[in-house]
Amino acid sequence: RKEVEQDPGPFNVPEGATVAFNCTYSNSASQSFFWYRQDCRKEPKLLMSVYSSGNEDGRFTAQLNRASQYISLLIRDSKLSDSATYLCVVNVATGGFKTIFGAGTRLFVKA
Amino acid sequence: DADVTQTPRNRITKTGKRIMLECSQTKGHDRMYWYRQDPGLGLRLIYYSFDVKDINKGEISDGYSVSRQAQAKFSLSLESAIPNQTALYFCATSDFSGSAGDTQYFGPGTRLTVL
Repeated sequence: RKEVEQDPGPFNVPEGATVAFNCTYSNSASQSFFWYRQDCRKEPKLLMSVYSSGNEDGRFTAQLNRASQYISLLIRDSKLSDSATYLCVVNVATGGFKTIFGAGTRLFVKA
Repeated sequence: DADVTQTPRNRITKTGKRIMLECSQTKGHDRMYWYRQDPGLGLRLIYYSFDVKDINKGEISDGYSVSRQAQAKFSLSLESAIPNQTALYFCATSDFSGSAGDTQYFGPGTRLTVL
């Protein structure tokens, strides 16, 4: 089983739609959580950190459920420019420290 | 100017050749990483370095070696390239902050093709 699992998609949504991405992690020693965005043939870039209390940045909302080891990202009022791959990322502290990237969920927003 | 740079950006080589990919950063971070990305597999860690004297293997280090020449420079070598090393390679840096976690900053990537 992968340590960080995401639905690979792709998700095809019309402009203005709300879309939700889910991510599960297997290691209970996971400490910090992030969503990154990667455009086609470009480098991943930090979209937002994910906090236990949940956090929002404009149209983006991230949630963390430590009990279920589950992270989510909600995008409201989707724009064409939101089309990208969204990576779930987890920091794990066991016998050292490591960062684990999910394989990503691809989003296509269409006019 | 970009904070994390990689050279070359694209490279085509032949099986058996030695290849070096270079990474430089101006962020002043101690931690540097090399990843490869293949379609459907996501990012996989090859090597990482938490400071100039520290080198660690990642999950897929076989066939690769690294050198941390300075805080700002971290190079990846393929001693004898093979076709299944064809991939997109990313360098990244981070400045670990305990409470905020380990945010990574990526270079633009090197697209390597081994024929």
